[in-house]
Amino acid sequence: AQTVTQSQPEMSVQEAETVTLSCTYDTSESDYYLFWYKQPPSRQMILVIRQEAYKQQNATENRFSVNFQKAAKSFSLKISDSQLGDAAMYFCAYRSEQGAQKLVFGQGTRLTINP
Amino acid sequence: NAGVMQNPRHLVRRRGQEARLRCSPMKGHSHVYWYRQLPEEGLKFMVYLQKENIIDESGMPKERFSAEFPKEGPSILRIQQVVRGDSAAYFCASSPGRTDLYGYTFGSGTRLTVV
Repeated sequence: AQTVTQSQPEMSVQEAETVTLSCTYDTSESDYYLFWYKQPPSRQMILVIRQEAYKQQNATENRFSVNFQKAAKSFSLKISDSQLGDAAMYFCAYRSEQGAQKLVFGQGTRLTINP
Repeated sequence: NAGVMQNPRHLVRRRGQEARLRCSPMKGHSHVYWYRQLPEEGLKFMVYLQKENIIDESGMPKERFSAEFPKEGPSILRIQQVVRGDSAAYFCASSPGRTDLYGYTFGSGTRLTVV
């Protein structure tokens, strides 16, 4: 079974600075997707960025980018120019392309932005 | 498009009562997933349904929990004889099918509190 590990329960960063959230996963599959979700206090799960495992190029969405290291099974999220609205829980998730395509989530990292 | 609608947003039940959680997927989406989030944890997969069919219920407790997605109407997650340990946020997500590359669209969740 696949597992996802986020080793940083909490992180904080100064507004306008850059922060990196770590995520590692374990799988024997070759085709899969990786996601970062943001969960603000409203509880809504918001998709931040996704990465297809077959793509070597790291995904980028505006201030959000990932460092995908397939061999190391690492998928970190970098947030540049941090803003107060970025404060939230961040979850890394794995999705197999086999079977039910269910998401496997990490434990989450609580990100605080200091003004 | 109203997105994935879950109701109620908050539900309080006494131990031993039944809880019914509803999920209306996005228009055109025929695949529904239910996830449970315990306090300070990531989401855990419970069940995957297509219209009138349960495809994967490997994450659902064998007793007291059931799910359905009828031909007409919302998907229902039913918890009978609730216990304190059932207190959690329950999320529904929908997708148009297996080929969706963008993950799912999540609802805002139902927070169940058992007193």
